[in-house]
Amino acid sequence: DAGVTQSPTHLIKTRGQHVTLRCSPISGHKSVSWYQQVLGQGPQFIFQYYEKEERGRGNFPDRFSARQFPNYSSELNVNALLLGDSALYLCASSFEAGGSGANVLTFGAGSRLTVL
Amino acid sequence: KQEVTQIPAALSVPEGENLVLNCSFTDSAIYNLQWFRQDPGKGLTSLLLIQSSQREQTSGRLNASLDKSSGRSTLYIAASQPGDSATYLCAPWYNTDKLIFGTGTRLQVFP
Repeated sequence: DAGVTQSPTHLIKTRGQHVTLRCSPISGHKSVSWYQQVLGQGPQFIFQYYEKEERGRGNFPDRFSARQFPNYSSELNVNALLLGDSALYLCASSFEAGGSGANVLTFGAGSRLTVL
Repeated sequence: KQEVTQIPAALSVPEGENLVLNCSFTDSAIYNLQWFRQDPGKGLTSLLLIQSSQREQTSGRLNASLDKSSGRSTLYIAASQPGDSATYLCAPWYNTDKLIFGTGTRLQVFP
């Protein structure tokens, strides 16, 4: 079975541009989360979507937005890119939302964004 | 504020040693806690999930314990190998739909 797949794997943008990152969850998983990992830090939560509805939002500006499609895949959009947006963007999926029971979060390999 | 601290920040050991990686979290009202491994420039690989009702979980040479009341989890790695070299992250899961991560323990095991 395919794991969580993300695209593109690497991309370079300039300040002020817009970027769209894509994520396909594990088959059967209905929850998708996005995390930003700056070099040398742990991942920070950006968004969670479950059954196509936003369930959580981290402390990120409105330049960051996301959505989930009927097939449970997801897009993360970042507008007006800043140098500080350079990071590894990780997508994770789980069968259900929330941390109860045996719900496990499975991460993709990430999309490395460099803003020049 | 929910925060996670991992000690030590870095560890360099010869292969064969038994290792202890510590994780503490400020809010003990967790649901689950996951331990992850991250190789340089790569995504996160889930190692162990400990549910809040459990005190420990084992997978091969890895054993993780959880003490909710004191806000601590410990990852034990037995008979370390060079292939274990990576950053290890612990992440508690609260009554929100997100994991809180620390900055991790960077482990290097040399032959």
